[in-house]
Amino acid sequence: GIQVEQSPPDLILQEGANSTLRCNFSDSVNNLQWFHQNPWGQLINLFYIPSGTKQNGRLSATTVATERYSLLYISSSQTTDSGVYFCAVESGSNDYKLSFGAGTTVTVRA
Amino acid sequence: DAGVTQSPTHLIKTRGQQVTLRCSPKSGHDTVSWYQQALGQGPQFIFQYYEEEERQRGNFPDRFSGHQFPNYSSELNVNALLLGDSALYLCAAASWGGPDTQYFGPGTRLTVL
Repeated sequence: GIQVEQSPPDLILQEGANSTLRCNFSDSVNNLQWFHQNPWGQLINLFYIPSGTKQNGRLSATTVATERYSLLYISSSQTTDSGVYFCAVESGSNDYKLSFGAGTTVTVRA
Repeated sequence: DAGVTQSPTHLIKTRGQQVTLRCSPKSGHDTVSWYQQALGQGPQFIFQYYEEEERQRGNFPDRFSGHQFPNYSSELNVNALLLGDSALYLCAAASWGGPDTQYFGPGTRLTVL
C-alpha cells in the first residue's frame, strides 16, 4: 500500500514562531488531508488539498502532487496550536480509505 | 463541527470479552469508515461501510466486525478482546460520490485489562 512519511516527528516552538511540517507519499493520490488532533483525540480537518495551495488564517498548505509531497505552514504559532498534526492520503479512486502518516507532535511554549 | 458522534466515550473491558462501539454520521453522509489508533501512532483503517455492506477492509482479523443500519449509523464489534486492542477507535464519515473530505468523530477510548 501507499507509504506516508511525516517530518519532523517532534517540533518545539516558541510562541510567535513560524514552522513547516512535511508529508511525503509514495504514490499518486486522489485525496490529501491535513488534520490536527487535540489532546482529547478529536481529529479536526485543517485542509483538503490533493494539489495546489490553500490558506486559512495562520495556517496554509501546499501540495505538489507531481513530486509527491505536501507542506503545512504554521505562522505566528500560539499555544493552542499544540497537538499532533497528521497527513492522510487516499490513493484509490474515490474509495474514502485514508492512509495516515505517523504524525508530527508540535509543542508551542509561551 | 463535523457532526459525527460516537459512543461510548470511554470503555474498560477485560481480555476475552466482547465490545460494541457506535457511530452516527451527520445528515448527508452515507459512508462510514472505522480506524484504530494505538498510542503514539497514526490511525489505521479497519473497514468501511456503504449501503449496509462492508466495501473495504484493512489488515485486521475477523474478530473485528461491523454493521451499518438503514439510517447510515454503524457499529464496530470486537470479539475475544486482547490487550493489544487497547486503542482509540475513530469513526469517519463521507458522502459516497461526493467530495473526498472525511470527517471524524471524537472517538471511543477502549482499554483492555
